[in-house]
Amino acid sequence: GNSVTQMEGPVTLSEEAFLTINCTYTATGYPSLFWYVQYPGEGLQLLLKATKADDKGSNKGFEATYRKETTSFHLEKGSVQVSDSAVYFCALSDRGGGFKTIFGAGTRLFVKA
Amino acid sequence: KAGVTQTPRYLIKTRGQQVTLSCSPISGHRSVSWYQQTPGQGLQFLFEYFSETQRNKGNFPGRFSGRQFSNSRSEMNVSTLELGDSALYLCASSQDNPSTDTQYFGPGTRLTVL
Repeated sequence: GNSVTQMEGPVTLSEEAFLTINCTYTATGYPSLFWYVQYPGEGLQLLLKATKADDKGSNKGFEATYRKETTSFHLEKGSVQVSDSAVYFCALSDRGGGFKTIFGAGTRLFVKA
Repeated sequence: KAGVTQTPRYLIKTRGQQVTLSCSPISGHRSVSWYQQTPGQGLQFLFEYFSETQRNKGNFPGRFSGRQFSNSRSEMNVSTLELGDSALYLCASSQDNPSTDTQYFGPGTRLTVL
């Protein structure tokens, strides 16, 4: 079945440091890939998405590229801020047959001032 | 446009009871999905409803059920509650096409089973 594996946290960085959170997936067919962010006490917010190979999703300085050859969708940001502290989830969803999103375990990010 | 709303936000029940959670999707959205989030198992897909029909189902026991009404509002029910059902239950709505459409999540209902 489909699955998502992402790096374990927590990840602790200083403000303005470079961020990478690794994500790899296993899927039949060609899923859509997503990064969601969850701030304390809140639901999930879509951060970015990519629907086909070599697509780059980007939002708020975050980027991720859909790599079919390595089945990866790593999240990157050049300069993190304290306000980026949250839990980040990598996820995939099959293209057909409705929504059935599979999530990774989540990576907690702490950014220190 | 109003976002996805879930009621109640917090709920405390005891073992053996049943509970009903409600989700109102974004206006115009016809797909509603439910997820369970726990520290141990993470985010797990429960089921998806589209046009009042269950379109997808996750690997949860039959104690977990749901339904969708003609206005796209959805409810999920958990019968004979167990301690392990304590979780944050998230609802997400979308238009239709997973290839092009985005799921929008509500703030969740936090269920505590004592």
